[in-house]
Amino acid sequence: SSELTQDPAVSVALGQTVRITCQGDSLRSYYASWYQQKPGQAPVLVIYGKNNRPSGIPDRFSGSSSGNTASLTITGAQAEDEADYYCNSRDSSGNHRDVVFGGGTKLTVL
Amino acid sequence: QVQLQESGPGLVKPSETLSLTCAVSGYSISSGYYWGWIRQPPGKGLEWIGSIYHSGSTYYNPSLKSRVTISVDTSKNQFSLKLSSVTAADTAVYYCARELLLWFGGQPSNWFDPWGQGTLVTVSS
Repeated sequence: SSELTQDPAVSVALGQTVRITCQGDSLRSYYASWYQQKPGQAPVLVIYGKNNRPSGIPDRFSGSSSGNTASLTITGAQAEDEADYYCNSRDSSGNHRDVVFGGGTKLTVL
Repeated sequence: QVQLQESGPGLVKPSETLSLTCAVSGYSISSGYYWGWIRQPPGKGLEWIGSIYHSGSTYYNPSLKSRVTISVDTSKNQFSLKLSSVTAADTAVYYCARELLLWFGGQPSNWFDPWGQGTLVTVSS
């Protein structure tokens, strides 16, 4: 089965731009989706598709993709963006039915 | 507005079967989409357990496949998870979520939205 790899931790100064990456062979075939999870809460979808934001997600969140790497960019990070971020896609190595999640990136806003 | 709510025992004994139900409101399960279960052990990341398509087809994480059964009850608009022979390693917050799969300019994307609030299941004697 395929895997998605994320950096365990990333930090950003308040108001600066940060990029969180997700690598995996499946990302050559699928656009990743991204989730934000704050302590004690369920994950919340922030990016899906090529670069789509659900209603209510600030436009400082954006997504991009190149080769086997998907990126979530936060432009002008706010204190409330401090959270864990997970990427997700279908597993393209088999029947395309299995789902894979990245290990998560803990974002600290300094 | 689609909403999902997990329910079930919060404590399960080792070797027994964990059973959870996800009640869906605001959308008829039989109308479409995939419906999935995801879990998160304390302090760890998200793990996909399995999904069921609205037609009833099921797809399971290969690492859990021998112990997992997901079913749907369209009359109650809910779907369920059974995980057998549980151990302490199955202690986790269990989430249910709707999964969508669409194509964007020739490339697909899947995503889970919305999610239930999650329910903590502890495996202990």
